[in-house]
Amino acid sequence: DQQVKQNSPSLSVQEGRISILNCDYTNSMFDYFLWYKKYPAEGPTFLISISSIKDKNEDGRFTVFLNKSAKHLSLHIVPSQPGDSAVYFCAASFISSGSARQLTFGSGTQLTVLP
Amino acid sequence: ETGVTQTPRHLVMGMTNKKSLKCEQHLGHNAMYWYKQSAKKPLELMFVYNFKEQTENNSVPSRFSPECPNSSHLFLHLHTLQPEDSALYLCASSQVFPGGTGELFFGEGSRLTVL
Repeated sequence: DQQVKQNSPSLSVQEGRISILNCDYTNSMFDYFLWYKKYPAEGPTFLISISSIKDKNEDGRFTVFLNKSAKHLSLHIVPSQPGDSAVYFCAASFISSGSARQLTFGSGTQLTVLP
Repeated sequence: ETGVTQTPRHLVMGMTNKKSLKCEQHLGHNAMYWYKQSAKKPLELMFVYNFKEQTENNSVPSRFSPECPNSSHLFLHLHTLQPEDSALYLCASSQVFPGGTGELFFGEGSRLTVL
């Protein structure tokens, strides 16, 4: 049973418009959420994160929104650029044994930004 | 050398072969991970080493055998694999400490094909 779900396997957006990638989770223990970006033939790279004590975090063109009551988060990219075309993974974590956190990933959304 | 490096980047092996994947991190982190990425599926955590001690084995078949000789190196020994084991194997590292975010730094992955 997937605890982190990205229900849209792909998304196409016109350059300059907003891209909205969605993620749902089921485990109410999760208290820290991250987005990773992955280009072909490369490993995932960290993009932006949000703690459960916040509902919004912004970094340049990227904003992550968290709705705890709905167990939903979203990543907004505006304006979208062709270089943003990649697979985006949502990840969630909570503190397990001791101080260790382990990430649970979604299945990813392929974003294509059309010029 | 920077970040997390994995070798080989591509590996083709028969079902009776024995091979190893290598990972090295240059970030001074204290935890290392193996993840498996199959097409259109979430990244699956396989093994976690924290301070060189294996702290997680996520029900991985014994044909996958990890080794962590020190906090900078991680190996995944492969023996009598099945074609369904073909996937991208990602190594990651992180700094584990109380209150930490669990952010992972990934290598570029080793693409494994089992014939």
